[in-house]
Amino acid sequence: EVQLVESGGGVVQPGESLRLSCGASGFTFSRHYMDWVRQAPGKGLEWVGRITGRPQSYSTDYAASVRGRFIISRDDSNNSLFLQMSSLKIEDTAIYYCARDTVSGIDFWGQGTLVTVSS
Amino acid sequence: QSVLTQPPSASGTPGQTVTISCSGSTSNIGYSIITWYQQFPGTAPRLVIHYDDQRPSGVPDRFSGSKSGTSASLAISGLQSGDEAVYYCSTWDATLNERVFGGGTRLTVL
Repeated sequence: EVQLVESGGGVVQPGESLRLSCGASGFTFSRHYMDWVRQAPGKGLEWVGRITGRPQSYSTDYAASVRGRFIISRDDSNNSLFLQMSSLKIEDTAIYYCARDTVSGIDFWGQGTLVTVSS
Repeated sequence: QSVLTQPPSASGTPGQTVTISCSGSTSNIGYSIITWYQQFPGTAPRLVIHYDDQRPSGVPDRFSGSKSGTSASLAISGLQSGDEAVYYCSTWDATLNERVFGGGTRLTVL
């Protein structure tokens, strides 16, 4: 059974940093691109970014709204995905989902972790 | 403003067929594969259609997808109260180099 479990969410002040983690199990993690998607309270889904696998040199793509502030990384030896967020803004408040990516798009989502940016 | 345009709401009575549209451009829907997601309140999205019109295992055959040019649609036949959810379309945008989502359509079963 595919499982994605996010952790690391919490309450931070504007300008601060936070690191989210996602533990994966039930599939060959290293073979998949992995994404982060967020959802602000009461709003729709917003793609944050993705990381490819080792054959593609772990390259990353980011949404324009987070480019330069967020960094996605992964540890295939521990089946883990990370999202390092810096210079956080109030508008970054959202549930952050870890998601498995495939040729046809995202096919499985974690349950999410809530990040609240508030002064 | 989402790159992909969906109606904010849709409704139908039990047993009816409801269709949800998703409109884009040649750089997204016209370029890449469409996926559709179902999301209930307080839960993570769930994939219901991939490869434009294919149902993953476990998704009832009441759900079907189609795509033509720069538009896509999700149809739900034999509508049930348990289908009440928000539905999102998504694809890759080659110009933005980002995955994009529609704004979501809230389906109400009357």
